[in-house]
Amino acid sequence: GENVEQHPSTLSVQEGDSAVIKCTYSDSASNYFPWYKQELGKGPQLIIDIRSNVGEKKDQRIAVTLNKTAKHFSLHITETQPEDSAVYFCAASGGWAGGTSYGKLTFGQGTILTVHP
Amino acid sequence: KAGVTQTPRYLIKTRGQQVTLSCSPISGHRSVSWYQQTPGQGLQFLFEYFSETQRNKGNFPGRFSGRQFSNSRSEMNVSTLELGDSALYLCASSTGDRGGYEQYFGPGTRLTVT
Repeated sequence: GENVEQHPSTLSVQEGDSAVIKCTYSDSASNYFPWYKQELGKGPQLIIDIRSNVGEKKDQRIAVTLNKTAKHFSLHITETQPEDSAVYFCAASGGWAGGTSYGKLTFGQGTILTVHP
Repeated sequence: KAGVTQTPRYLIKTRGQQVTLSCSPISGHRSVSWYQQTPGQGLQFLFEYFSETQRNKGNFPGRFSGRQFSNSRSEMNVSTLELGDSALYLCASSTGDRGGYEQYFGPGTRLTVT
């Protein structure tokens, strides 16, 4: 089955700096890669996602890049703010084309991001 | 649109008991997936229901089961509870159809087994 590795496990930055979180996946059939932000006491919130036919996607201060050949994808947060502090998870799915894996997200272990004012 | 709702939010049970958790998806969504979140194992997929049928299943014992109703609401049941079942149980909804990849999570049910 799919295996997703996420690094680093903790990341500490100063307000205004950039933060980068990286994930690798094992199943070449995976074609959908979402990122979630989870704050204390809440469920994961979808913040950005990318599909395998796209190399990069940006939404304001957040961007995701995908390298299908190397099977890795990354989350980039620019101009970090204290409210960006949370646990971030990457995930992978076979999507519709993945057949039996559709609807199943395989998650990385999470990155605790702390933004210091 | 209202988000995904889960009830109850907190639950304390004793070993050997059973428990039923409920999830109401976003209006119009027909797929509900369930995940278990623990500090040690992270987020793990339990199963997915689409149009009242289990479409996908993770690697959990048969004590974990679920169902989906005609209004897309879903329940999961855990029988013969063990201490290791203590976790945050999350459900996520999506349209479930071709192209509807995005999954939106509820706040979760925190289950404590004593």
